[in-house]
Amino acid sequence: AQSVAQPEDQVNVAEGNPLTVKCTYSVSGNPYLFWYVQYPNRGLQFLLKYITGDNLVKGSYGFEAEFNKSQTSFHLKKPSALVSDSALYFCAVRAHGNFNKFYFGSGTKLNVKP
Amino acid sequence: DAGVTQSPTHLIKTRGQQVTLRCSPKSGHDTVSWYQQALGQGPQFIFQYYEEEERQRGNFPDRFSGHQFPNYSSELNVNALLLGDSALYLCASTGPEGTIYFGEGSWLTVV
Repeated sequence: AQSVAQPEDQVNVAEGNPLTVKCTYSVSGNPYLFWYVQYPNRGLQFLLKYITGDNLVKGSYGFEAEFNKSQTSFHLKKPSALVSDSALYFCAVRAHGNFNKFYFGSGTKLNVKP
Repeated sequence: DAGVTQSPTHLIKTRGQQVTLRCSPKSGHDTVSWYQQALGQGPQFIFQYYEEEERQRGNFPDRFSGHQFPNYSSELNVNALLLGDSALYLCASTGPEGTIYFGEGSWLTVV
């Protein structure tokens, strides 16, 4: 079975501070991991992905994520949060060879306060 | 280069009616997937189309059906609408590297 868990419904952070949005996954075989962002009343935008290689991957808008195989985690991070980063963030996983069927977490709402 | 486009953006239907949603994939993408996103939840996989055939299906009833055309565009059809079908319906097309790219979605309200 494949699944994604985002343990925090909401994360609050002050502008300029570092942020972390947590994600853990369960998948058979090697995981392909993704982060997407959704602004109000919009579709999902791709941020970054991990397929193989370096455990720290960099993506759009200064975001990065760290893959940890032993902890089956793929946390999203940013060194300095902006108010404009406030949005809903989704972690997703697909199994290698699974014809691109993605499993999404329930989402984490990020609130960045000035 | 146009991204994934969906229509209509919003629609209201009555219980028992049928609805058709449309999607054009990103240029060069030949695989289209449909997802349902209920309020407060993550997207749930409905099905995927490749070469005009349904390749994979999620846990959705047969009331949900689809089609892919030779130009790779796709339709999602839902019959006998229920109140619980109210959701944002997202179309996604797959890039050659395996990343999926979403459209802005179609908001369906069933009353």
